[in-house]
Amino acid sequence: KQEVTQIPAALSVPEGENLVLNCSFTDSAIYNLQWFRQDPGKGLTSLLLIQSSQREQTSGRLNASLDKSSGRSTLYIAASQPGDSATYLCAVSDAGDFNKFYFGSGTKLNVKP
Amino acid sequence: ETGVTQSPTHLIKTRGQQVTLRCSSQSGHNTVSWYQQALGQGPQFIFQYYREEENGRGNFPPRFSGLQFPNYSSELNVNALELDDSALYLCASSWAQGEPGANVLTFGAGSRLTVL
Repeated sequence: KQEVTQIPAALSVPEGENLVLNCSFTDSAIYNLQWFRQDPGKGLTSLLLIQSSQREQTSGRLNASLDKSSGRSTLYIAASQPGDSATYLCAVSDAGDFNKFYFGSGTKLNVKP
Repeated sequence: ETGVTQSPTHLIKTRGQQVTLRCSSQSGHNTVSWYQQALGQGPQFIFQYYREEENGRGNFPPRFSGLQFPNYSSELNVNALELDDSALYLCASSWAQGEPGANVLTFGAGSRLTVL
């Protein structure tokens, strides 16, 4: 069974810092990997989607990388802002059952002004 | 283009009762998935519906059931509620596998269920 782990569980940084969030998964046979953002009490907003054949995706100040063989992904946030404060979730879908996404527990990010 | 809407946003039930949660998918999306998110945890896959049929199920008992309607909207029904069913229930819509944009999930804001 696929298990997804996110480290750290929480992170507090001053505004302007560059930061890296980590995600690891146990089964490398994935279909794709997505990073989501969740604000308190809200649903999830998709940030980046990386197909299993891709190495990275970029959107604005966000860059996500994927190393399928080692079961790792990172989300890099450049020049962090207080508005980036949220919980960031990583999710993978299995190559054999791509209807189902497995989520990590998330990293709660606080960017201090 | 409308997003995914869920209702109700909050509700309180007592143990043993039944609940129905509703979801309207994003315009054009034909696949709906339901997830349960307990406090402080990541979402867990309950099931997915495509063409009005269940198309994949997670590790949830049969008292969790669903429906999808011809307009692609969906319902999640939970019978015999237990205290551990207290959670945020998230609905996500997408295109079906093989279609452009498949697996890009659009989530609703969720329905927060409290079981007393």
